[in-house]
Amino acid sequence: GAGVSQSPSNKVTEKGKDVELRCDPISGHTALYWYRQSLGQGLEFLIYFQGNSAPDKSGLPSDRFSAERTGGSVSTLTIQRTQQEDSAVYLCASSLDWTAYEQYFGPGTRLTVT
Amino acid sequence: QQPVQSPQAVILREGEDAVINCSSSKALYSVHWYRQKHGEAPVFLMILLKGGEQKGHEKISASFNEKKQQSSLYLTASQLSYSGTYFCGTVSSGSARQLTFGSGTQLTVLP
Repeated sequence: GAGVSQSPSNKVTEKGKDVELRCDPISGHTALYWYRQSLGQGLEFLIYFQGNSAPDKSGLPSDRFSAERTGGSVSTLTIQRTQQEDSAVYLCASSLDWTAYEQYFGPGTRLTVT
Repeated sequence: QQPVQSPQAVILREGEDAVINCSSSKALYSVHWYRQKHGEAPVFLMILLKGGEQKGHEKISASFNEKKQQSSLYLTASQLSYSGTYFCGTVSSGSARQLTFGSGTQLTVLP
């Protein structure tokens, strides 16, 4: 079946502009995660959605970052007033249920803020 | 808090063994291991739940010592395809369910 998809694959934006990153999880997966990976670095947790529960936003680095998940499926990560330090690969993952199950990662969106 | 992985990097010859360690200062519910090749997304290897269970995946296995909050990943008779960065991720006991990843161990297998 189809895996996790993300769009766009690459995004170049000017400092101060807003960007939206999209994630389509695997059908039937109730849990969805966003991570950020800077060049040569590890995976930084951003936000986690589980079913209809309130999302765990504890990893969002600032109030410029927000995410929503509509209808328990597609998720959008929005970064307002982008800064150069926001440049990174943003990875989305989904799993069958909460974090006791393996996570399937999408290919990521490479964001470059100029 | 981020788990600590060691070593940061390891280089070995095909057929040699390697051990990657992961430790946390928090009581853990589970430990997850992923491998990421350059320019690709991380790929799941295994999950270990508290109980000290050892899991295996071909010639890759892992253990979890919940009392010490430590896990080790064992790569036996390494193959060229094992090259990549290995990340451990931990889920703490309690209400928090986020997966917190370590900084990774870069493994290079040479012919």
